[in-house]
Amino acid sequence: QTVVTQEPSFSVSPGGTVTLTCGLNSGSVSTNYFPSWYQQTPGQAPRTLIYSTNTRSSGVPDRFSGSILGNKAALTITGAQADDESDYYCVLHMGSGVSVFGGGTKLTVL
Amino acid sequence: QLQLQESGPGLVKPSETLSLTCTVSGGSISSSSYYWGWIRQPPGKGLEWIGNIYYSGSTYYNPSLKSRVTISVDTSKNQFSLKLSSVTAADTAVYYCARLLMVYANYFDSWGQGTLVTVSS
Repeated sequence: QTVVTQEPSFSVSPGGTVTLTCGLNSGSVSTNYFPSWYQQTPGQAPRTLIYSTNTRSSGVPDRFSGSILGNKAALTITGAQADDESDYYCVLHMGSGVSVFGGGTKLTVL
Repeated sequence: QLQLQESGPGLVKPSETLSLTCTVSGGSISSSSYYWGWIRQPPGKGLEWIGNIYYSGSTYYNPSLKSRVTISVDTSKNQFSLKLSSVTAADTAVYYCARLLMVYANYFDSWGQGTLVTVSS
């Protein structure tokens, strides 16, 4: 069974930089899985941030960036702001047509 | 602008079948570039992919739910639907429908607002 792993929680200071990661329980994450990232605040639907590893969705500030770091996908927030405090989810799209969500990372800005 | 709207009963009894419909407006469900998906989120927990459907009717399902899930499409109404059978309290969740772009990328680019379905007698 494919399991996508994310840090359960992370904290960052305002103005700081944080990198959240997205891994696989077996194997490495590559661009072939089209990693995408979503931001969700309580009571709201997810918002698309990054797709195809490193492409920002329309309207997303450039302080959000995506990459592959080692064997994981990564979401980096540079110059974190208070309203970046949210849950962040990555999704990997397996070649079999199956999409797998990570467990999510709760980001605190303090 | 594309909009997706979930609709269906907010309360379902245990062992019965959950049925939801997603109505797409501002775009055609028959576009060749997209799949259409269902995702759910139990209260206080993370997002879980349920399945995707293409306008032709081709489907992909989460292996852990496959035995209980059916996703169908009605192109004449620009809608797609979810049926989840034999529900239990563990199926209580906010259910989202979403559009999945499949050309040169692979990601959910548009989401519905979500609808809470509670499984309880």
